[in-house]
Amino acid sequence: DAGVTQSPTHLIKTRGQHVTLRCSPISGHKSVSWYQQVLGQGPQFIFQYYEKEERGRGNFPDRFSARQFPNYSSELNVNALLLGDSALYLCASIGNVYNEQFFGPGTRLTVL
Amino acid sequence: ELKVEQNPLFLSMQEGKNYTIYCNYSTTSDRLYWYRQDPGKSLESLFVLLSNGAVKQEGRLMASLDTKARLSTLHITAAVHDLSATYFCAVDEDFGNEKLTFGTGTRLTIIP
Repeated sequence: DAGVTQSPTHLIKTRGQHVTLRCSPISGHKSVSWYQQVLGQGPQFIFQYYEKEERGRGNFPDRFSARQFPNYSSELNVNALLLGDSALYLCASIGNVYNEQFFGPGTRLTVL
Repeated sequence: ELKVEQNPLFLSMQEGKNYTIYCNYSTTSDRLYWYRQDPGKSLESLFVLLSNGAVKQEGRLMASLDTKARLSTLHITAAVHDLSATYFCAVDEDFGNEKLTFGTGTRLTIIP
């Protein structure tokens, strides 16, 4: 079975631009979460989606938004990029047993 | 607000030695997860601990959970160089809303 996939792997943007990150969960998983990991810190929760509905949102500004599609893949959008948005963005596919979260390889975003 | 603290933050140890990483959290929770992260990589799931007194072992790593003390430990036995990585604990504070709150991480370096 394929694991969690994310695209792109790396991305370089300038301040003020917009970015879209994509995630495909493990086959059979219906829920995904997004996390931001700044260098040297633990991941911070951004969003959780289940069956296309938002079920949780972390302490992030409205510049961050997400959605989930009928095939359970998901997009994370960030508008008006700031330097502080530079981070590794991780998508987790949430299992049906114990709600264990399996992380994708991440997208490394650099904002210049 | 749930807080998750790990100690130590940095740990250098010689091959063959034993050591323990501690994870304290501030609210009641019956679900705790341990992850490993190699430099520049994503998170690899190590253990899922679901109840008080739970103990899981895989190779040279053993994790336990004491929900009454709000404490989890990750014990390393006879460390080998391949275990060098950053280890995170994460707490799921609200079953049904799979938001993980991560600890600060412990950067473990095994010295030959």
